[in-house]
Amino acid sequence: EVQLVQSGAEVKMSGESLRISCKGFGYSFISYWIGWVRQMPGKGLEWMGIIYPADSETRYSPSLHGQVSISADRSIRTAYLQWSSLKASDTAMYYCARLGIGTRGDLSFYASDIWGQGTMVTVSS
Amino acid sequence: QSVLTQPPSVSGAPGRRVTISCTGSSSNIGAGFDVHWYQQLPGTAPKLLIYGNNHRPSGVPDRFSGSKSGTSASLAITGLQAEDEADYYCQSYDSSLSHWVFGGGTKLTVL
Repeated sequence: EVQLVQSGAEVKMSGESLRISCKGFGYSFISYWIGWVRQMPGKGLEWMGIIYPADSETRYSPSLHGQVSISADRSIRTAYLQWSSLKASDTAMYYCARLGIGTRGDLSFYASDIWGQGTMVTVSS
Repeated sequence: QSVLTQPPSVSGAPGRRVTISCTGSSSNIGAGFDVHWYQQLPGTAPKLLIYGNNHRPSGVPDRFSGSKSGTSASLAITGLQAEDEADYYCQSYDSSLSHWVFGGGTKLTVL
């Protein structure tokens, strides 16, 4: 079965660092871009950035660039989202998603066909 | 303020038809980029409902359909069922931001 499995919920203090993970199963992990999506409590979905696991090329959302770091380890089929210094405003559910289906070969036309179950990050001040 | 604008809420009686609009601009939908739709049931991850404006992934009922015209797109749901009660999001690519964008989401209530 094709799936993305994310790491478990985290509770952290403001200023701490954190890395959450997203592991792919059932498909060629290096062949598809993986994106990270934030959903703050009671709010909508926001793209954070994407990574191509084959060569770790990364593209960040302009609004979140510099606030987080996205990486991947192709040898263990895992993508990561990392913070160096958490803030209370980072409290949210974070989803990883595979950009796996589109009507054209151009990545900008791709949709996210497989989603992880989500990782809840709670940051206390 | 989302780049793509959706109504905050829509509602309909079981068996009826509802539509959800998604309005963009000349740098996203109007530039020719595809629109995709996702359904998020309460407490769950989003699920792809429509891709490429009007294509349904395998397993999505044909009660769900999508369309696009100019700088807007729409999701139509016919034969409303109680299990359709969820949040719905449109998504496209924005050339000014050089990144993917979501609409603010629409909460569907089945009366």
